[in-house]
Amino acid sequence: NAGVTQTPKFRILKIGQSMTLQCTQDMNHNYMYWYRQDPGMGLKLIYYSVGAGITDKGEVPNGYNVSRSTTEDFPLRLELAAPSQTSVYFCASSPAKNTGELFFGEGSRLTVL
Amino acid sequence: GQSLEQPSEVTAVEGAIVQINCTYQTSGFYGLSWYQQHDGGAPTFLSYNGLDGLEETGRFSSFLSRSDSYGYLLLQELQMKDSASYFCAVCRGKLIFGQGTELSVKP
Repeated sequence: NAGVTQTPKFRILKIGQSMTLQCTQDMNHNYMYWYRQDPGMGLKLIYYSVGAGITDKGEVPNGYNVSRSTTEDFPLRLELAAPSQTSVYFCASSPAKNTGELFFGEGSRLTVL
Repeated sequence: GQSLEQPSEVTAVEGAIVQINCTYQTSGFYGLSWYQQHDGGAPTFLSYNGLDGLEETGRFSSFLSRSDSYGYLLLQELQMKDSASYFCAVCRGKLIFGQGTELSVKP
């Protein structure tokens, strides 16, 4: 059982480039989330989804886009990368609302130079 | 809005008991969760308090008091491997995390 899988694990981007962070889960969870974590800080919610075809903004959505065409996949798109987007990005999933328990991927470490 | 406050750092010795507090200002939520994160790793779920009171899971316990807008994580019989960051998070359909507490366990 793979759980939540994120790719790539590491990436270096130049300012203004675009890329997509991939996230897939094999637990048939309806709820999926993207967080970013800056060094020494907590996790900030970027976007989340309560099911296929439904997405919503979190605390820090600017500069990002998401889509949820299937239950399994929840990609995060960065358009026009900026140094402020240098961070570790975590994807997570949950089987139900308000259980308090998220299952996290191993993270994607992004550097924008 | 919502904000959560935790101490930034806590130090304790192996075998001791340590309490990590979390105070919050939020208008209505379903419960309070706690997560552990070792350096560079993925956060892992420790406990969830959907109701006021104490929840115990092995060496870890968590407490919630909605009337006091306060919760804590209690770690007993500390081990070196407990050195990590600990995050509280309020559950409102989605999890909003605090800034985290870095726990250092000394021999």
